Amino acid sequence: GQQLNQSPQSMFIQEGEDVSMNCTSSSIFNTWLWYKQDPGEGPVLLIALYKAGELTSNGRLTAQFGITRKDSFLNISASIPSDVGIYFCAGHPHRTSGSRLTFGEGTQLTVNP
Amino acid sequence: DVKVTQSSRYLVKRTGEKVFLECVQDMDHENMFWYRQDPGLGLRLIYFSYDVKMKEKGDIPEGYSVSREKKERFSLILESTSTNQTSMYLCASRFSSAEAFFGQGTRLTVV
Repeated sequence: GQQLNQSPQSMFIQEGEDVSMNCTSSSIFNTWLWYKQDPGEGPVLLIALYKAGELTSNGRLTAQFGITRKDSFLNISASIPSDVGIYFCAGHPHRTSGSRLTFGEGTQLTVNP
Repeated sequence: DVKVTQSSRYLVKRTGEKVFLECVQDMDHENMFWYRQDPGLGLRLIYFSYDVKMKEKGDIPEGYSVSREKKERFSLILESTSTNQTSMYLCASRFSSAEAFFGQGTRLTVV
């Protein structure tokens, strides 16, 4: 199946630093979703984006739906140790029939206290 | 809150055993999905269902089957487990064109 290009694959940062990650696709997407997965748990939805150019915040998290509809960005400000986990982007490609989502391979975030 | 519940958190099975993984959602979602997650391979879609008694193969259906007799319940069946099916299994559900919600995952170990 189609994959999204998510980068970086991993990040090691100090507590208090800001974090940025992104997902890109060669095709247009109608929906962009960002999830966080804690070790041993299922992914939890952080932010959903439905319109090109949309910028949405959830606490210290901010995500944007790219104007070209082929990319999305997630920023975490002032990171804390509990931000550790895997962050996934997901989306629904334009003009794709059915209900399945396409997922990025994840960004593993490590926060050093 | 949307709730997607998987029947087991951890399972250990012997090679050749039959395994049922059950998933129940309480939001009347028409679409339900089964994924497996392995290090370095991301989330891979096994099967999905867009309505009761309907099913579609995902990217890696071999060795698996599914059942959806009721809208809220989607079962993944491993007829004869093998060691290469050791993995984290994740169930999800969603309305079409909307966000997906995941269960807590089942860590299956086949020995």
